Amino acid sequence: QTVVTQEPSFSVSPGGTVTLTCGLRSGSVSTSYYPSWYQQTPGQAPRTLIYSTNTRSSGVPDRFSGSILGNKAALTITGAQADDESDYYCVLYMGRGSWVFGGGTKLTVL
Amino acid sequence: QVQLVESGGGVVQPGRSLRLSCAASGFAFATYGVHWVRQAPGKGLEWVALISYDGSTQYSADSVKGRFTISRDNSKNTLYLQMNSLRVEDTAVYYCARNYYYMDLWGKGTTVTVSS
Repeated sequence: QTVVTQEPSFSVSPGGTVTLTCGLRSGSVSTSYYPSWYQQTPGQAPRTLIYSTNTRSSGVPDRFSGSILGNKAALTITGAQADDESDYYCVLYMGRGSWVFGGGTKLTVL
Repeated sequence: QVQLVESGGGVVQPGRSLRLSCAASGFAFATYGVHWVRQAPGKGLEWVALISYDGSTQYSADSVKGRFTISRDNSKNTLYLQMNSLRVEDTAVYYCARNYYYMDLWGKGTTVTVSS
């Protein structure tokens, strides 16, 4: 059973805004889970976008932002571009030395 | 250049062992925790293990507990993953990634294939 939940797929129009979420099967995500977000294209290593909920990693454009929305962590992409078409993963620190990745969201830009 | 470079992957039979390495350069390796994360073919990312900056603390996922051991040699700026009793389901690209609560720098990965 998936402990950390993400939308399996999402679609956005070029120039549009999309919000991907990262939740828990049971409970609410808070900053104590240190939610972070990663972008991965096929055959490539993951690239860190956001860590500790809302801190952008070095070199990441400001159209990527992180937050807590309701009971989930969220990654918002504003002004989507064609090369944003990727898989996006979140990971949560579950405490007691355990990290769990979500199943990933496949983002299509069309 | 700030980077992590994995090595040691290959094809191995079920039940055998393999040791992966991750060489760090361009930053103060001894001040960072480091993770191993893997990705099976066509699947998502899976956290495998973490070791603290000084090697005093190690954690691992239930799926590898008792079979995989994470270690580090700060004098060589190198992280290791000793993988014993390998199973077909351990087939994956293995990445090392820097930091503790999150991963802020990733290597390009090394591929492990467990097959008879």
